[in-house]
Amino acid sequence: DQQVKQNSPSLSVQEGRISILNCDYTNSMFDYFLWYKKYPAEGPTFLISISSIKDKNEDGRFTVFLNKSAKHLSLHIVPSQPGDSAVYFCAASADSGGSNYKLTFGKGTLLTVNP
Amino acid sequence: DAGVTQSPTHLIKTRGQQVTLRCSPKSGHDTVSWYQQALGQGPQFIFQYYEEEERQRGNFPDRFSGHQFPNYSSELNVNALLLGDSALYLCASSLVGGVSYNEQFFGPGTRLTVL
Repeated sequence: DQQVKQNSPSLSVQEGRISILNCDYTNSMFDYFLWYKKYPAEGPTFLISISSIKDKNEDGRFTVFLNKSAKHLSLHIVPSQPGDSAVYFCAASADSGGSNYKLTFGKGTLLTVNP
Repeated sequence: DAGVTQSPTHLIKTRGQQVTLRCSPKSGHDTVSWYQQALGQGPQFIFQYYEEEERQRGNFPDRFSGHQFPNYSSELNVNALLLGDSALYLCASSLVGGVSYNEQFFGPGTRLTVL
């Protein structure tokens, strides 16, 4: 049973436009969500995160939105650049009193930004 | 500032053999987590080590074991290798009680192929 789902295996956008990557989760205990970017032959790189007490977090071109009632989050990249082309993973964790426990990942979405 | 390092980069083993993978955490981090990423899947949590003890374990058999050393580095051991163990093994480090305690930093991974 997959607790974190990324239903779009791939997404293609034009340079300069907005990229929207979606993620759904089923476990109501999740209270912290992260997005990672992964290039081939490299480990995942942390991108941005959001706590369940917020509904939006912004960092430069990257914004993450959280809709707790729908158990849905999305990552917006504006404007998209060719260097953003990578696999994006959504991950979630359930806080354990300030300790860092396991991350549960989705299967990833391959983003291709065309020049 | 040294990031997470893993060795070896690639490894080829045959069924039934045993393998040891190594990880050095990011400078200042005290917690190491191990993940298995099969082709086309997101990383799956194997276990996490803190203060030289296994703190949480994912749904992996006892053939998977680990160790953390006083300098916070860690090893992942897999016994009686199966073809299905072929995957990218990722190590991630974090700091318990840190400001960004939920953010795990990943190494480049070890690609294990079992023949």
